[in-house]
Amino acid sequence: QKEVEQDPGPLSVPEGAIVSLNCTYSNSAFQYFMWYRQYSRKGPELLMYTYSSGNKEDGRFTAQVDKSSKYISLFIRDSQPSDSATYLCAPTRGGNKLTFGTGTQLKVEL
Amino acid sequence: DADVTQTPRNRITKTGKRIMLECSQTKGHDRMYWYRQDPGLGLQLIYYSFDVKDINKGEISDGYSVSRQAQAKFSLSLESAIPNQTALYFCATSEGRGEQFFGPGTRLTVL
Repeated sequence: QKEVEQDPGPLSVPEGAIVSLNCTYSNSAFQYFMWYRQYSRKGPELLMYTYSSGNKEDGRFTAQVDKSSKYISLFIRDSQPSDSATYLCAPTRGGNKLTFGTGTQLKVEL
Repeated sequence: DADVTQTPRNRITKTGKRIMLECSQTKGHDRMYWYRQDPGLGLQLIYYSFDVKDINKGEISDGYSVSRQAQAKFSLSLESAIPNQTALYFCATSEGRGEQFFGPGTRLTVL
């Protein structure tokens, strides 16, 4: 079993839809939970991160962590074609070694 | 100019050849990393370095070696390339705990 599981998609939604991207993990020592976004032919870039359980909102993006069920979510409101990318979750214990999920490919259609 | 640069961006080589991928950064970070990305497997850590004198193996270091020539430069070598090393390779840097900044990647094909 992988430490971090993520549905690879692809996920296709119409513009304006609410998108839910999810990961599960097995290591209870993870404390920081990051989401990276990777556009085609580019390196990943940090989208947002949360510490421990709870929610964090940044514009149209909300990251949610439930440590009791080891479940990580990223919600995108009012999705735009420019949100089309691969989203990777990356939990860490805080020692700067990230464990990446496989990534979910998202396509937002006009 | 990009903060993290990788050369070459694309490379096709043959089995058994020695290959070096180079990474340079202008962010002034001490920590540097090499990852490979394969479809369905995500990003896997090959090697990482917390400063010029510190080199550590990651999850999949077999068949690879690295050199930290300076704070700003971290090279990855494949001594004798094999086809299953065909992948997208990323260099990343970080200041400490937290965000890693990735380069644009090198697409390597081993025939």
